Amino acid sequence: GNSVTQMEGPVTLSEEAFLTINCTYTATGYPSLFWYVQYPGEGLQLLLKATKADDKGSNKGFEATYRKETTSFHLEKGSVQVSDSAVYFCACNNAGNMLTFGGGTRLMVKP
Amino acid sequence: NAGVTQTPKFQVLKTGQSMTLQCAQDMNHNSMYWYRQDPGMGLRLIYYSASEGTTDKGEVPNGYNVSRLNKREFSLRLESAAPSQTSVYFCASSPPGGQNTEAFFGQGTRLTVV
Repeated sequence: GNSVTQMEGPVTLSEEAFLTINCTYTATGYPSLFWYVQYPGEGLQLLLKATKADDKGSNKGFEATYRKETTSFHLEKGSVQVSDSAVYFCACNNAGNMLTFGGGTRLMVKP
Repeated sequence: NAGVTQTPKFQVLKTGQSMTLQCAQDMNHNSMYWYRQDPGMGLRLIYYSASEGTTDKGEVPNGYNVSRLNKREFSLRLESAAPSQTSVYFCASSPPGGQNTEAFFGQGTRLTVV
């Protein structure tokens, strides 16, 4: 089956620092890749996605590039804000509508 | 739009008690899902329903049953709760479109079994 591995957190950064959260996947074929974000007390919501190799997903200053050669989909942001504090989940899907999630990475941004 | 609505938001059960978690979506989605979220393990799929009238097991179905009551509603039942089922439960739905489509999540139910 599919699997997704993320860097363990928590990741603690100061405001305006550069963010990278690593994500690698194992899946057959050509999965679609997603980043979801979970703010405190809420459900998950889609942050960005990429559906084929070399695609770049972007939203709210976050970016991730689908790298098939390294089976990776690392999340980056050039300048984080306190409001970005949340848990971030990487996920893949190559079996119809079933998502496989990584373990989640908690980001804490300090003023 | 309400999106995906789950009830209750919090619940404490004693070992051996039963309960049903309710989920409804108003987006006319065909597919619905139940996940559990445990620290460091991400979300794991319990059951899913690709369409009204069908249900299938996910990664961790033991100890749970589901019912797809109609297109809107998908319930999760614990017949005899165990402490290992202490978790946060999320319901989700998605439109047709295969692997490229996003899932929409409810706000979760925090369940504690003592």
